[in-house]
Amino acid sequence: QLQLQESGPGLVKPSETLSLTCTVSGGSLTTSSYYWGWIRQPPGKGLEWIGYIYYSGNTYYNPSLRSRVTISVDTSKNQFSLKLSFVTAADTAVYYCARRGGIVRPDFDYWGQGTLVTVSS
Amino acid sequence: QSVLTQPPSVSGAPGQRVTISCTGSSSNIGAGHDVHWYQQLPGTAPKLLIYGNSNRPSGVPDRFSGSKSVTSASLAITGLQAEDEADYYCQSYDSSLSDFVIFGGGTKLTVL
Repeated sequence: QLQLQESGPGLVKPSETLSLTCTVSGGSLTTSSYYWGWIRQPPGKGLEWIGYIYYSGNTYYNPSLRSRVTISVDTSKNQFSLKLSFVTAADTAVYYCARRGGIVRPDFDYWGQGTLVTVSS
Repeated sequence: QSVLTQPPSVSGAPGQRVTISCTGSSSNIGAGHDVHWYQQLPGTAPKLLIYGNSNRPSGVPDRFSGSKSVTSASLAITGLQAEDEADYYCQSYDSSLSDFVIFGGGTKLTVL
């Protein structure tokens, strides 16, 4: 059974960079047709897609966050990571990592449990 | 404001049928992009409920069904149960945004 687990600091200071890692177990990041992504949810609000990456390194970002987001993959560790720079209080949210299928199944079928990141000095 | 519009809340009594709408436009649902639905129980991560407009992943009860029309989609829940109380989100893609991911604003289902 595929499992995803987010990890990283729960508190980040304004203007600094948020860094999270998602560790995948029970399956390989290099399985073809799958994308590995990040989605966030501010407290009490809805879901916002951040971006995703293919194991080859191709990345796709939400245009509204593109200038501040970097998603990378480490196939040797079966992990992928999120960096969000110049954070503000508006970036406070639960951050989820998730797997997206390919063209035939472009839904998010596996999700991590989520990790709350608070931006505060 | 979400690109996909959902009612903020719906409610129903146990055993009843409820529907949740997801209204898009010609650049997303109307452009042929499939709609997927997620259920988020309180304090938990979203869970895939319906994919490809009307398909249920293994383990999802057949009380949940999805449909798609021209520029909208619907999630129907029959035989409402207390454990169905959750937030529900629709998701698709938008051609005006380079086929990137879009979510509806979410609908809170209350079981009376």
